[in-house]
Amino acid sequence: DAGVIQSPRHEVTEMGQEVTLRCKPISGHDYLFWYRQTMMRGLELLIYFNNNVPIDDSGMPEDRFSAKMPNASFSTLKIQPSEPRDSAVYFCASSWRGSNTGELFFGEGSRLTVL
Amino acid sequence: SQQGEEDPQALSIQEGENATMNCSYKTSINNLQWYRQNSGRGLVHLILIRSNEREKHSGRLRVTLDTSKKSSSLLITASRAADTASYFCATDSSWETSGSRLTFGEGTQLTVNP
Repeated sequence: DAGVIQSPRHEVTEMGQEVTLRCKPISGHDYLFWYRQTMMRGLELLIYFNNNVPIDDSGMPEDRFSAKMPNASFSTLKIQPSEPRDSAVYFCASSWRGSNTGELFFGEGSRLTVL
Repeated sequence: SQQGEEDPQALSIQEGENATMNCSYKTSINNLQWYRQNSGRGLVHLILIRSNEREKHSGRLRVTLDTSKKSSSLLITASRAADTASYFCATDSSWETSGSRLTFGEGTQLTVNP
C-alpha cells in the first residue's frame, strides 16, 4: 500500500487566496483525520470523518476552514480566505477501527505558507 | 490544552547511549501510543500500550505505563544517529479502537550524536 497521500507537499500563497489541500487515505480505512502542526500549538486535531461523514469538527479554527470527504478515497481541506496565521503543516491521517489498536497512519504533510 | 506532556523537551546523547523520554497526562485513558517524527516528515506509530499493561517491548524500544501516576516512559536502548527525531506520546481516552480521541503531547526532540 502506498500509505496516506497528501498534496501539495508545499504551498506558498498570498493572504486572501483560497487554499485547497488534498488527501487520499489508505484503502480500507474508515477514519480520516486532519491535523495542523505549528511550533506554538503543537499538533491539533481539526476534524475527523468516519465512513465519509464528519463526526467532530470542533477543532476547526473558524468558518474560513472547511473539509469534505466526497468518497472513501478522497478528502479536501479548504481555507478561504487564507491568512498568515494559517501557516502551518497540515497532516492527514487515517485509521481502521478493525485494527483494534487505534493506530493512525499519517501522510507526509502539506506545508502551507501564507504571505 | 495538551493531554500529554513530554519531558524533556529536548535530549542530546551520544550514539550507543540509552534515551529515556517521559510523558504525563491528566485524564483516564484507554491506551497510550508513542509516535516518531523525522524532520519534515509525517508521524509514524512506534508502539501502543493499553491501560491494563505496565510494560511493553518492541526491538530496542521499551515502554512503561503507570496509570496511578498518569505517566509513561519510552526507552530507546543502544541509540543510533538514525534515531534522531521528535517523539510524541498520544493518549486515547475513547473505548473505540479508532484513534478518534487521540491527543498528542508536545514532543521530545531527540538528537543522537555519532
